Amino acid sequence: AQKITQTQPGMFVQEKEAVTLDCTYDTSDPSYGLFWYKQPSSGEMIFLIYQGSYDQQNATEGRYSLNFQKARKSANLVISASQLGDSAMYFCAMREFRFNDYKLSFGAGTTVTVRA
Amino acid sequence: DVKVTQSSRYLVKRTGEKVFLECVQDMDHENMFWYRQDPGLGLRLIYFSYDVKMKEKGDIPEGYSVSREKKERFSLILESASTNQTSMYLCASTGGRTEAFFGQGTRLTVV
Repeated sequence: AQKITQTQPGMFVQEKEAVTLDCTYDTSDPSYGLFWYKQPSSGEMIFLIYQGSYDQQNATEGRYSLNFQKARKSANLVISASQLGDSAMYFCAMREFRFNDYKLSFGAGTTVTVRA
Repeated sequence: DVKVTQSSRYLVKRTGEKVFLECVQDMDHENMFWYRQDPGLGLRLIYFSYDVKMKEKGDIPEGYSVSREKKERFSLILESASTNQTSMYLCASTGGRTEAFFGQGTRLTVV
């Protein structure tokens, strides 16, 4: 069964505007972590932000913030003040920590194109 | 600077060949992973290893095997390459509950 769902295959955003990338997840494990990665056209995977299931506050890292809604099982990434260099594919991922499960499951990704 | 290094950036192999993809990390991480990435499917886990000589199947292990004889090295083996294994292969490592660090990827083409 799909554990991570990203429903937006592609998005366009105007430079300097904010964009929200959707991510929903499925788990019965009370202890888990959610990650967002950026993959530019060069192919490298760049870690952006992390949210633990027990974290009380939404994670933020510079222009990136995570809108974590635990009851709805969603972990949307918000990129504020978009820049041309933000054009890339973005992946949502999850690790379930019960029984020391080390697997990292990914969604299908969302391609973001920033327009000047 | 943390490093995960994959042995090849691009690889072209013939159908039926045995293919080795090598991955080395210098962070003393316990956990290492092999993924394949295909358009529209995201990253799918092939195998992972949580210790030397230990391995676990991921979501799509068929047609692949792995080897982890040393902590820093995790090899992916295609026993008999087929055209449907043409893909981007990504290696990653992680220690504990931290984020995973990825190699630069190997784009494998099987002809």
